[in-house]
Amino acid sequence: AQSVTQLGSHVSVSEGALVLLRCNYSSSVPPYLFWYVQYPNQGLQLLLKYTSAATLVKGINGFEAEFKKSETSFHLTKPSAHMSDAAEYFCAVRNNQAGTALIFGKGTTLSVSS
Amino acid sequence: DTGVSQDPRHKITKRGQNVTFRCDPISEHNRLYWYRQTLGQGPEFLTYFQNEAQLEKSRLLSDRFSAERPKGSFSTLEIQRTEQGDSAMYLCASSLASQPGQTKHYEQYFGPGTRLTVT
Repeated sequence: AQSVTQLGSHVSVSEGALVLLRCNYSSSVPPYLFWYVQYPNQGLQLLLKYTSAATLVKGINGFEAEFKKSETSFHLTKPSAHMSDAAEYFCAVRNNQAGTALIFGKGTTLSVSS
Repeated sequence: DTGVSQDPRHKITKRGQNVTFRCDPISEHNRLYWYRQTLGQGPEFLTYFQNEAQLEKSRLLSDRFSAERPKGSFSTLEIQRTEQGDSAMYLCASSLASQPGQTKHYEQYFGPGTRLTVT
């Protein structure tokens, strides 16, 4: 069975600091991995995706993630946090058994202080 | 393209009542997914349609839940005899479907969700 685990339910950074949100996956087949962001009272927006091409994936809003097979990780980073980055972030893996439905982690809430 | 829309955005109901939610996907998308998100958790898959056919249902979808997608356009999710444990955000997403033998992954676009509170 496929799964993702997000380490840390809450991460706090200062504006301008590095953002690092951790995600580890479990999959018996080459995974398709995703990071989504959710702002209060809104749906999920795709930040970036890994679909077996380049291991370093660049997304929107300055975010990027690196797929590391040896570590089964897909951590999300941003060099310099902005106040507008405060939101909930979800890592997800594609479920190959259910028509490409997504299996999500529990989420990490990012707080950014000035 | 107006994106995925869901109606209502909020629903408060008393235990034992029936509720129905509607999702309008992006018009050219042939796949439609329903997810449930409870407080402090990520979304959990409930069911999905390809065109009008319901192809997969999660074990989370008890017999009190039913979903339809008539004519392969909008979809409805009905919960009968609601329970307090049904309180959650119900999210709908849509995407294109890859062709047989094709490995391309098409992005799922999510609606804003319907927040259900059962009192």
